Amino acid sequence: DAGITQSPRHKVTETGTPVTLRCHQTENHRYMYWYRQDPGHGLRLIHYSYGVKDTDKGEVSDGYSVSRSKTEDFLLTLESATSSQTSVYFCATASAGNYEQYFGPGTRLTVT
Amino acid sequence: GDSVTQMEGPVTLSEEAFLTINCTYTATGYPSLFWYVQYPGEGLQLLLKATKADDKGSNKGFEATYRKETTSFHLEKGSVQVSDSAVYFCALSEGGGSNYKLTFGKGTLLTVNP
Repeated sequence: DAGITQSPRHKVTETGTPVTLRCHQTENHRYMYWYRQDPGHGLRLIHYSYGVKDTDKGEVSDGYSVSRSKTEDFLLTLESATSSQTSVYFCATASAGNYEQYFGPGTRLTVT
Repeated sequence: GDSVTQMEGPVTLSEEAFLTINCTYTATGYPSLFWYVQYPGEGLQLLLKATKADDKGSNKGFEATYRKETTSFHLEKGSVQVSDSAVYFCALSEGGGSNYKLTFGKGTLLTVNP
Protein backbone atom coordinates (compact mmCIF):
# COMPACT_ATOMS: atom_id res chain seq x y z
CA ASP A 1 0.00 0.00 0.00
CA ALA A 2 1.06 3.58 -0.69
CA GLY A 3 2.17 5.40 2.45
CA ILE A 4 -0.50 8.05 2.87
CA THR A 5 -1.24 9.70 6.18
CA GLN A 6 -3.78 12.35 7.04
CA SER A 7 -3.78 14.69 10.00
CA PRO A 8 -5.64 15.28 12.11
CA ARG A 9 -7.80 12.16 12.01
CA HIS A 10 -10.62 13.83 13.89
CA LYS A 11 -11.40 17.49 14.44
CA VAL A 12 -14.24 19.47 15.93
CA THR A 13 -14.27 23.18 15.19
CA GLU A 14 -16.64 26.12 15.37
CA THR A 15 -18.34 27.89 12.52
CA GLY A 16 -16.21 30.68 11.12
CA THR A 17 -12.83 29.32 12.17
CA PRO A 18 -10.11 28.39 9.68
CA VAL A 19 -9.15 24.73 9.39
CA THR A 20 -6.25 23.07 7.59
CA LEU A 21 -6.08 19.36 6.85
CA ARG A 22 -2.83 17.75 5.85
CA CYS A 23 -2.11 14.86 3.53
CA HIS A 24 1.38 13.37 3.49
CA GLN A 25 2.65 10.69 1.10
CA THR A 26 5.91 8.79 0.93
CA GLU A 27 5.44 7.30 -2.55
CA ASN A 28 6.63 10.24 -4.65
CA HIS A 29 3.34 10.20 -6.56
CA ARG A 30 2.82 13.15 -8.86
CA TYR A 31 -0.96 13.44 -8.49
CA MET A 32 -2.85 14.15 -5.27
CA TYR A 33 -6.58 14.62 -4.61
CA TRP A 34 -8.91 15.77 -1.89
CA TYR A 35 -12.42 14.28 -1.66
CA ARG A 36 -15.30 14.64 0.73
CA GLN A 37 -17.64 11.77 1.53
CA ASP A 38 -21.22 12.41 2.53
CA PRO A 39 -24.18 10.03 2.82
CA GLY A 40 -26.05 9.79 -0.46
CA HIS A 41 -23.32 11.53 -2.43
CA GLY A 42 -20.47 9.05 -2.55
CA LEU A 43 -17.08 10.71 -2.96
CA ARG A 44 -16.87 14.14 -4.53
CA LEU A 45 -13.65 15.74 -5.70
CA ILE A 46 -12.80 19.05 -4.03
CA HIS A 47 -9.40 19.95 -5.51
CA TYR A 48 -6.51 18.09 -7.03
CA SER A 49 -2.85 18.61 -7.82
CA TYR A 50 -0.93 17.45 -10.87
CA GLY A 51 2.47 18.61 -9.62
CA VAL A 52 4.18 20.87 -7.13
CA LYS A 53 2.39 24.23 -7.15
CA ASP A 54 -0.02 22.93 -9.84
CA THR A 55 -3.58 22.61 -8.61
CA ASP A 56 -7.08 22.76 -10.03
CA LYS A 57 -10.68 22.72 -8.86
CA GLY A 58 -12.93 19.71 -8.60
CA GLU A 59 -16.70 19.60 -8.57
CA VAL A 60 -17.23 20.96 -5.02
CA SER A 61 -14.42 23.50 -4.56
CA ASP A 62 -16.38 26.47 -3.16
CA GLY A 63 -15.17 27.35 0.35
CA TYR A 64 -11.95 25.35 0.01
CA SER A 65 -8.40 26.14 -1.05
CA VAL A 66 -5.34 23.95 -1.44
CA SER A 67 -1.59 24.26 -1.57
CA ARG A 68 1.21 21.96 -2.59
CA SER A 69 4.69 23.32 -1.97
CA LYS A 70 6.43 19.94 -2.12
CA THR A 71 5.68 16.56 -3.66
CA GLU A 72 4.81 14.80 -0.43
CA ASP A 73 2.37 17.28 1.13
CA PHE A 74 -1.06 18.49 -0.01
CA LEU A 75 -2.94 20.85 2.28
CA LEU A 76 -6.67 21.51 2.26
CA THR A 77 -7.84 24.73 3.92
CA LEU A 78 -11.34 25.78 4.91
CA GLU A 79 -10.92 29.55 5.23
CA SER A 80 -14.07 29.97 7.33
CA ALA A 81 -15.68 26.67 8.24
CA THR A 82 -19.43 26.21 7.89
CA SER A 83 -21.71 23.45 9.14
CA SER A 84 -22.19 22.25 5.55
CA GLN A 85 -18.50 21.32 5.54
CA THR A 86 -19.02 18.71 8.23
CA SER A 87 -17.88 15.59 6.42
CA VAL A 88 -15.24 12.91 6.12
CA TYR A 89 -12.31 14.07 4.01
CA PHE A 90 -10.11 11.68 2.09
CA CYS A 91 -6.81 12.29 0.40
CA ALA A 92 -5.64 10.12 -2.49
CA THR A 93 -2.56 9.87 -4.68
CA ALA A 94 -1.74 8.46 -8.11
CA SER A 95 1.35 8.08 -10.24
CA ALA A 96 1.61 8.96 -13.90
CA GLY A 97 0.63 6.06 -16.13
CA ASN A 98 -1.12 4.15 -13.34
CA TYR A 99 -4.84 4.82 -13.28
CA GLU A 100 -5.26 3.53 -9.71
CA GLN A 101 -5.63 5.94 -6.81
CA TYR A 102 -4.44 5.14 -3.29
CA PHE A 103 -6.44 6.51 -0.39
CA GLY A 104 -5.54 7.77 3.05
CA PRO A 105 -7.48 6.80 6.18
CA GLY A 106 -9.64 9.92 6.23
CA THR A 107 -10.27 12.89 8.51
CA ARG A 108 -13.62 13.29 10.23
CA LEU A 109 -14.39 17.01 10.53
CA THR A 110 -17.31 18.33 12.55
CA VAL A 111 -18.21 22.01 12.34
CA THR A 112 -20.49 23.13 15.19
CA GLY B 1 -19.37 14.77 -18.58
CA ASP B 2 -18.51 11.37 -17.20
CA SER B 3 -20.84 9.68 -14.76
CA VAL B 4 -21.25 6.38 -12.92
CA THR B 5 -24.55 4.93 -11.78
CA GLN B 6 -24.65 2.00 -9.41
CA MET B 7 -27.53 0.23 -7.80
CA GLU B 8 -29.02 1.81 -4.71
CA GLY B 9 -28.47 0.05 -1.45
CA PRO B 10 -28.48 -1.13 1.10
CA VAL B 11 -28.12 -4.76 0.07
CA THR B 12 -28.59 -7.40 2.76
CA LEU B 13 -27.64 -11.02 2.08
CA SER B 14 -27.16 -14.21 4.00
CA GLU B 15 -23.75 -15.82 4.11
CA GLU B 16 -22.97 -17.92 0.99
CA ALA B 17 -25.52 -16.05 -1.12
CA PHE B 18 -24.71 -14.80 -4.63
CA LEU B 19 -23.94 -11.10 -4.96
CA THR B 20 -24.48 -8.76 -7.90
CA ILE B 21 -24.04 -5.00 -7.70
CA ASN B 22 -24.89 -3.28 -10.96
CA CYS B 23 -22.79 -0.44 -12.36
CA THR B 24 -23.22 1.47 -15.60
CA TYR B 25 -21.23 4.41 -16.89
CA THR B 26 -21.13 7.21 -19.41
CA ALA B 27 -17.81 8.50 -20.67
CA THR B 28 -16.47 10.51 -23.57
CA GLY B 29 -13.46 8.29 -24.24
CA TYR B 30 -12.30 4.80 -23.35
CA PRO B 31 -12.10 4.75 -19.58
CA SER B 32 -10.58 2.31 -17.17
CA LEU B 33 -13.10 0.92 -14.68
CA PHE B 34 -12.68 0.14 -11.01
CA TRP B 35 -14.40 -1.29 -7.98
CA TYR B 36 -13.27 0.10 -4.65
CA VAL B 37 -14.28 -1.23 -1.24
CA GLN B 38 -14.55 0.68 2.02
CA TYR B 39 -14.66 -1.26 5.28
CA PRO B 40 -16.16 0.48 8.32
CA GLY B 41 -13.98 3.32 9.58
CA GLU B 42 -11.40 2.95 6.83
CA GLY B 43 -10.37 4.57 3.57
CA LEU B 44 -11.08 3.10 0.15
CA GLN B 45 -9.11 0.17 -1.20
CA LEU B 46 -8.95 -0.96 -4.78
CA LEU B 47 -10.82 -4.26 -5.15
CA LEU B 48 -10.40 -4.85 -8.88
CA LYS B 49 -9.99 -3.06 -12.18
CA ALA B 50 -10.28 -3.46 -15.94
CA THR B 51 -8.58 -1.24 -18.48
CA LYS B 52 -10.21 -2.21 -21.77
CA ALA B 53 -13.33 -3.75 -23.22
CA ASP B 54 -13.93 -7.45 -22.40
CA ASP B 55 -11.28 -7.43 -19.66
CA LYS B 56 -12.29 -9.23 -16.50
CA GLY B 57 -10.99 -7.95 -13.19
CA SER B 58 -10.94 -10.34 -10.25
CA ASN B 59 -9.80 -10.37 -6.64
CA LYS B 60 -10.82 -12.15 -3.42
CA GLY B 61 -13.55 -14.08 -5.23
CA PHE B 62 -15.08 -10.91 -6.71
CA GLU B 63 -15.13 -10.34 -10.44
CA ALA B 64 -16.40 -7.81 -12.95
CA THR B 65 -16.26 -7.70 -16.75
CA TYR B 66 -15.86 -4.51 -18.77
CA ARG B 67 -18.78 -4.52 -21.23
CA LYS B 68 -18.42 -1.70 -23.72
CA GLU B 69 -21.59 -2.59 -25.64
CA THR B 70 -23.74 -2.16 -22.52
CA THR B 71 -21.42 0.37 -20.78
CA SER B 72 -21.49 -1.79 -17.69
CA PHE B 73 -19.11 -3.19 -15.07
CA HIS B 74 -21.23 -5.27 -12.71
CA LEU B 75 -19.62 -6.69 -9.57
CA GLU B 76 -20.29 -10.35 -8.72
CA LYS B 77 -19.32 -12.87 -6.10
CA GLY B 78 -20.53 -16.43 -5.94
CA SER B 79 -20.60 -16.87 -2.17
CA VAL B 80 -20.39 -13.88 0.15
CA GLN B 81 -19.00 -13.94 3.66
CA VAL B 82 -19.74 -11.82 6.72
CA SER B 83 -16.32 -10.22 6.21
CA ASP B 84 -17.48 -8.84 2.84
CA SER B 85 -19.79 -6.40 4.62
CA ALA B 86 -18.65 -2.99 3.39
CA VAL B 87 -19.49 -0.14 1.03
CA TYR B 88 -18.64 -0.81 -2.62
CA PHE B 89 -17.92 1.99 -5.11
CA CYS B 90 -17.80 1.73 -8.87
CA ALA B 91 -15.52 4.30 -10.54
CA LEU B 92 -14.01 5.27 -13.87
CA SER B 93 -10.92 7.13 -15.01
CA GLU B 94 -10.18 8.66 -18.40
CA GLY B 95 -6.47 8.58 -17.63
CA GLY B 96 -3.72 11.12 -18.11
CA GLY B 97 -5.78 13.48 -20.22
CA SER B 98 -7.97 14.08 -17.19
CA ASN B 99 -5.11 13.97 -14.65
CA TYR B 100 -6.19 10.47 -13.57
CA LYS B 101 -9.26 11.83 -11.84
CA LEU B 102 -11.81 9.26 -10.72
CA THR B 103 -15.55 9.62 -11.14
CA PHE B 104 -17.39 7.59 -8.49
CA GLY B 105 -20.83 6.13 -8.14
CA LYS B 106 -22.64 6.86 -4.90
CA GLY B 107 -21.72 3.57 -3.28
CA THR B 108 -23.66 0.46 -2.27
CA LEU B 109 -23.73 -0.71 1.33
CA LEU B 110 -23.56 -4.51 1.59
CA THR B 111 -24.43 -6.26 4.83
CA VAL B 112 -23.90 -10.02 5.05
CA ASN B 113 -25.61 -11.84 7.91
CA PRO B 114 -24.37 -15.17 9.32
